[in-house]
Amino acid sequence: DAVLTQTPLSLSVTPGQPASISCKSSQSLLHSDGKTYLHWYLQKPGQSPQLLISEVSSRFSGVPDRFSGSGSGTDFKLQISRVEAEDVGVYYCMEAIHPPTFGGGTKVEIE
Amino acid sequence: EVTLVESGGDLVRPGGSLRLSCVASGFTFVDYWMTWVRQAPGKGLEWVATVNYDESQKDCVASVKGRFTISRDNARNSLYLQMNSLRVEDTAVYYCARDAGWSRLDSWGQGTLVTVSS
Repeated sequence: DAVLTQTPLSLSVTPGQPASISCKSSQSLLHSDGKTYLHWYLQKPGQSPQLLISEVSSRFSGVPDRFSGSGSGTDFKLQISRVEAEDVGVYYCMEAIHPPTFGGGTKVEIE
Repeated sequence: EVTLVESGGDLVRPGGSLRLSCVASGFTFVDYWMTWVRQAPGKGLEWVATVNYDESQKDCVASVKGRFTISRDNARNSLYLQMNSLRVEDTAVYYCARDAGWSRLDSWGQGTLVTVSS
């Protein structure tokens, strides 16, 4: 099974500043079909998780374009270009093939 | 609007059983795989089990194999998780999620709390 390691564990960001979260997998997430099934979820305080980005870089419907995903193979990144107050919560990466596994989460707070 | 409503969470003793339900509405249930995800108190997310459209494909995390069974009733737009031989470490909020393919969990329920304690 793959292990997903997220860094940092927590992040305190000034509104308007960028933020970046890393997700590293112990195994390649490139599937034999040529796709990479690495997704990002956000769990806001007191809420259920919500899908942000699928297959490395595809923003889900309604997700602001300040969120972007990148990476390949075993190294992935979620970036927020300008953090807003509503972005606070815990961010999780998740891979779908080894079997499905979540990273440990990164807590984002506003300074 | 897509809605997923879980129920069935309760306090149960170690070794006991529980059946969780998730009723779906707002979409064609039979068109989607469905997944259970859990979250222990103060901890991260853990994938539990997934079932395909007609139950011909099922998978679950190793820690629940042989104890938990995922199933669905497409006529009732319902997803289930039968949990047997419950352990203290199964204590968690259990979320039902619509799976748009390869764990692209695009809608989630509000969760139901399962507490395993003596």
